[in-house]
Amino acid sequence: DSGVTQTPKHLITATGQRVTLRCSPRSGDLSVYWYQQSLDQGLQFLIQYYNGEERAKGNILERFSAQQFPDLHSELNLSSLELGDSALYFCASSVSGGGSVPNEQFFGPGTRLTVL
Amino acid sequence: ILNVEQSPQSLHVQEGDSTNFTCSFPSSNFYALHWYRWETAKSPEALFVMTLNGDEKKKGRISATLNTKEGYSYLYIKGSQPEDSATYLCACLTDSWGKFQFGAGTQVVVTP
Repeated sequence: DSGVTQTPKHLITATGQRVTLRCSPRSGDLSVYWYQQSLDQGLQFLIQYYNGEERAKGNILERFSAQQFPDLHSELNLSSLELGDSALYFCASSVSGGGSVPNEQFFGPGTRLTVL
Repeated sequence: ILNVEQSPQSLHVQEGDSTNFTCSFPSSNFYALHWYRWETAKSPEALFVMTLNGDEKKKGRISATLNTKEGYSYLYIKGSQPEDSATYLCACLTDSWGKFQFGAGTQVVVTP
């Protein structure tokens, strides 16, 4: 158990809908990262938050947004869902987020999203 | 487009044999390299964080080296055991914050 929690574990929804995925980082970790793993694709970095501020952005679609709250939990919002958004979404956390300080990331169990 | 490449894609190893595989990355915009171990139905688990050229890290029977000038890292497993069966991912940090690029992984299967 990494100490990172994600809810829900599974989510089934229809095209055009909007969903929210939630992540609680390990106690003391200030950085939260979101990743997407689609079928036959590697882990794709979506976005990073550090202590409430967005710090790095990957190939995140405009239909997707995220935020990190004062209690450091984070939410990933996916809207106008398409079939291709079906994927495993991981959240990870680390103590800090700066590249000059080595930071191992601790991954949550993931949320499997199925869009029908 | 994945600039971080891992080879081979998969390999089968006999129990007790040693093995190694490669992660290649662009040597420009390099900040750090992370190795993860990912077992089926679980989440990726951090193995090593490497930042300096010439870095060598070791955890039990697993070790890694880093060459930032030529853009590659090797992961070695000595005396492979069935519990080493997993996908090994490398991820390159390409900015001073958290912009990671992951490789597609090397799937290792250790047979008794």
